[in-house]
Amino acid sequence: AQSVTQPDIHITVSEGASLELRCNYSYGATPYLFWYVQSPGQGLQLLLKYFSGDTLVQGIKGFEAEFKRSQSSFNLRKPSVHWSDAAEYFCAVGNSNYQLIWGAGTKLIIKP
Amino acid sequence: NAGVTQTPKFRVLKTGQSMTLLCAQDMNHEYMYWYRQDPGMGLRLIHYSVGEGTTAKGEVPDGYNVSRLKKQNFLLGLESAAPSQTSVYFCASSDPGLAGYHEQYFGPGTRLTVT
Repeated sequence: AQSVTQPDIHITVSEGASLELRCNYSYGATPYLFWYVQSPGQGLQLLLKYFSGDTLVQGIKGFEAEFKRSQSSFNLRKPSVHWSDAAEYFCAVGNSNYQLIWGAGTKLIIKP
Repeated sequence: NAGVTQTPKFRVLKTGQSMTLLCAQDMNHEYMYWYRQDPGMGLRLIHYSVGEGTTAKGEVPDGYNVSRLKKQNFLLGLESAAPSQTSVYFCASSDPGLAGYHEQYFGPGTRLTVT
């Protein structure tokens, strides 16, 4: 069955520190992978996506993610977080029915 | 471009009441989706539509109905609201004809409370 796992429900990081949010997926074919961000009380905004090609993809707001087929992972990274990055982050994989299978989300908390 | 808009933003219903949530998109997208978001459960697909006049069930369709009479609108109905339907509802749209065909664009959400 297709699934997406985000192992960390919450992550706390100091402002200026680096960040890595984990995402593991289960999908039989070549995955289409996404990271979305949801600020408090807002809808979801696409951060970045992977369809094919270079396994390191760059997104908005200084985020990047690396696709590792051997590990079935698509982890999100940022070298230095800002207080405005506090939000909930969702990983998703696209299936053959043009639907997205979602992870449960990781809430990022920034310590001043 | 307004993108995806949702009406209303907030609503409180009593058990057994009915209501309709409206989603509108101005991007000429073929696909539209209704999700519900509950704490710790991510987004769950309720119903979706692959074009005007079509609808299909998602992961959690029970208690909801939808209609897509016009390409730009996707309505979600609750015929007899239950407290278990207290949630935040998001509408999204996408276009399979574009390079990023899985990319979904989201509305701001509707917070529904059923008492």
